[in-house]
Amino acid sequence: GAVVSQHPSWVICKSGTSVKIECRSLDFQATTMFWYRQFPKQSLMLMATSNEGSKATYEQGVEKDKFLINHASLTLSTLTVTSAHPEDSSFYICSAITSSSYNEQFFGPGTRLTVL
Amino acid sequence: DAKTTQPPSMDCAEGRAANLPCNHSTISGNEYVYWYRQIHSQGPQYIIHGLKNNETNEMASLIITEDRKSSTLILPHATLRDTAVYYCIVRVPSGSARQLTFGSGTQLTVLP
Repeated sequence: GAVVSQHPSWVICKSGTSVKIECRSLDFQATTMFWYRQFPKQSLMLMATSNEGSKATYEQGVEKDKFLINHASLTLSTLTVTSAHPEDSSFYICSAITSSSYNEQFFGPGTRLTVL
Repeated sequence: DAKTTQPPSMDCAEGRAANLPCNHSTISGNEYVYWYRQIHSQGPQYIIHGLKNNETNEMASLIITEDRKSSTLILPHATLRDTAVYYCIVRVPSGSARQLTFGSGTQLTVLP
């Protein structure tokens, strides 16, 4: 299957700083990427949908000015958590689909963010 | 997307078949049943999907009832590495909104 990578796999930062997480489709072009967030012992919650070359669509309750998403190429989307706070500590997961993919969504391994 | 109901947890002995049920009584005619799993601290992994016929691949089998209101994911010979949260998702595969809506899933624990 197609491979999606994320970098970094984990990050620890101080409160008030910004953190950038990268999501890459390694062997296919991803017209659409999704960003999910998962708190401990909870299920994945969709944060936003990112389409290459256009603005991301955010889910209700997700602050677009705090979670900046850029999808500048067909293989890379980035999520920047600005002015991070301890409550932003979570497991962030991206996924990607291609225009020809009907059946499966390819997930990255996730990024563990801890804000001190 | 149709709502699904899964038991919160199940245990299975290593080497035995694991049968994970999912209820989706409000499924519509054009919605597929998808199964994903998430091993602890990893991203979800696609397992299998189906519309109305039973499906089998190298990972699992999917049995969908004739009325399509429920399904069962079968791992024929469970191993310790199959311990994970299993998600049953019902959705239309095409269309602009192709994100997945994850429920709470079933925590499968394979016991040695």
